[in-house]
This record gives sequence, structure tokens and C-alpha cells, in this order.
Amino acid sequence: GAVVSQHPSRVICKSGTSVKIECRSLDFQATTMFWYRQFPKQSLMLMATSNEGSKATYEQGVEKDKFLINHASLTLSTLTVTSAHPEDSSFYICSANEGVSNQPQHFGDGTRLSIL
Amino acid sequence: AQTVTQSQPEMSVQEAETVTLSCTYDTSENNYYLFWYKQPPSRQMILVIRQEAYKQQNATENRFSVNFQKAAKSFSLKISDSQLGDTAMYFCAFMKAQAGNNRKLIWGLGTSLAVNP
Repeated sequence: GAVVSQHPSRVICKSGTSVKIECRSLDFQATTMFWYRQFPKQSLMLMATSNEGSKATYEQGVEKDKFLINHASLTLSTLTVTSAHPEDSSFYICSANEGVSNQPQHFGDGTRLSIL
Repeated sequence: AQTVTQSQPEMSVQEAETVTLSCTYDTSENNYYLFWYKQPPSRQMILVIRQEAYKQQNATENRFSVNFQKAAKSFSLKISDSQLGDTAMYFCAFMKAQAGNNRKLIWGLGTSLAVNP
């Protein structure tokens, strides 16, 4: 079945560091990927829609300059948390749709980001 | 705009018993998809079951089944013969049926299910 790989699974770094998270579709092309943020015991919050070859679409309230998204190929989207601070600590998950409209989204395993 | 409501933040059930998780949604769309996702402590998102709105027959996947009431906009999940491994957060989600890859999921707040031995 379709697989989405997300890397790294865990990041611990100092405040002020920029962190890049990768999301890859392994056996299908994904012109669109989604980036979510999830706080403990809460639902997924859509941050942005990543579009291959064009600018990402950010949800209201999400800082574009803080969360940089690049979708340079049909199988890779990256989320860079720039100058991360402790309040950016969270669980980040990506997902992607296969091309067929009735297929469900496929999720990466998530990245647990901890900023000290 | 579409909304998804899960009115049960937490539930518990004894092993081997049956439990039903509720989900209601609001939409003006006629064609859409509904999903139940499971998120165990490992935090992987696992698709449990899905339902196409144009299908009247309720979807089933082994011990998991849904009661889809389109007119009432209700989409409950029944877990039969509950197992300890069913302990997880369960999210109900809605997606419009549309062409292309830009198909967003609208999420409920989730129900935390604990299966007790």
C-alpha cells in the first residue's frame, strides 16, 4: 500500500535553531501534501497545504515566515521551523493524497519536536 | 463550512465488550467521504474505516463497523469484541469528494478510548 515517510521522528535542539522535517511519498506521486501540528491529547490542526512547484497555502494564524514549506518534487515536501523556540515544541505530522479521489490520505509517522 | 463533532472526549470499555463512538457532522455537500482514524500512543495515524456518502450500506472492517445516517448527518463507530490494542484516540474526519489532490480533511476533536482488562 501507499506509504508516506517522515523524517526525523524525534528532534531535540536548542532555542534559535532551525529544524527541517521531510515528508516523502514512497510509491506514489503527491502534488499536494498537508502539514499538521498536534498538541498532546488534541486533534490535528492543519497548518498548511503544500503544493508541488508553487507556494504553500497557509491556514489562518500560521506564520509563513516561521514555518517554511518547500515542495520541490512530486515526492518530497519539507517543513522548516525557523529560529525555533520552546513554544514551537509539538508533534508535526504530514500527509498526502494519492491521485484518485476516493483514496484516503496517507500519513507519515510524525516528528516530535522539542526545543530547549 | 464543514464541521465535525465528537461529543465524547473520553470513553472506556471492558475487554471483549462492545463500544460505540459518536460523530456528527455538518455539510451542505451531497457527495463526500467520512473516515475514522485511530491514533495509538505511538501517535501513528491509522485508518480504521471509511464510508462513501453515496453508499447506503454501512462499511465494516472486521470488528469495526459504522452506523451511517446521512439524513441525520451521523457517523458512529462500533467496536465489537474490544481488545487492549484498541486503546487509542479515535478521530472522525470528513472530506469533500472532489477531483485533484487538494482534498482537506476536516477533523473532530477526538475520543480517547481506554480498553480495560
